[in-house]
Amino acid sequence: KQEVTQIPAALSVPEGENLVLNCSFTDSAIYNLQWFRQDPGKGLTSLLLIQSSQREQTSGRLNASLDKSSGRSTLYIAASQPGDSATYLCAVSRNDMRFGAGTRLTVKP
Amino acid sequence: GAGVSQSPSNKVTEKGKDVELRCDPISGHTALYWYRQRLGQGLEFLIYFQGNSAPDKSGLPSDRFSAERTGESVSTLTIQRTQQEDSAVYLCASSPYVGGHNQPQHFGDGTRLSIL
Repeated sequence: KQEVTQIPAALSVPEGENLVLNCSFTDSAIYNLQWFRQDPGKGLTSLLLIQSSQREQTSGRLNASLDKSSGRSTLYIAASQPGDSATYLCAVSRNDMRFGAGTRLTVKP
Repeated sequence: GAGVSQSPSNKVTEKGKDVELRCDPISGHTALYWYRQRLGQGLEFLIYFQGNSAPDKSGLPSDRFSAERTGESVSTLTIQRTQQEDSAVYLCASSPYVGGHNQPQHFGDGTRLSIL
């Protein structure tokens, strides 16, 4: 059974710092990996989706990488802002989708 | 709006009652997913619909849970004889399916279900 782990569980950084969120998964037979953002009381917002054949995806200040063979993905956030404060979830999918428990990010002004 | 719509946004009901949750996906999205998020826990996959294929029900926690989808439109998630452990936020998502791959999922704001 696929297990998805996110480290750290919580992270607090001052505004302007670059940061990395980690995601690992146990079964490398995936179709894609997706990073989401979840704000309190809201549904999930998809940030980046990496197909299994891809190594990375970039959107603005966000860069996500995928190393399928080692079962790892990272989400890099450049020049963090207070508005980036949220919970970040990674999810891997094959026929269904398995989520990590998330990293709660706080960016302090 | 053009997003995924879920209703009701909040539902409070007594233990033992049946509840029905509704999801209106984005028009044209063939894939539809239901998830559950209990307080303080990660997201749990429940069920996945893809076009006219048989749904993937592997995440449904018990036979009290069922879901239907008519074609590529509205889906309903039904929980029978609700228990207190069913209290959670139920999220629905939809996505296009292009070239044999699921595309990024778009989520609704969820239904917060509270069982008294």
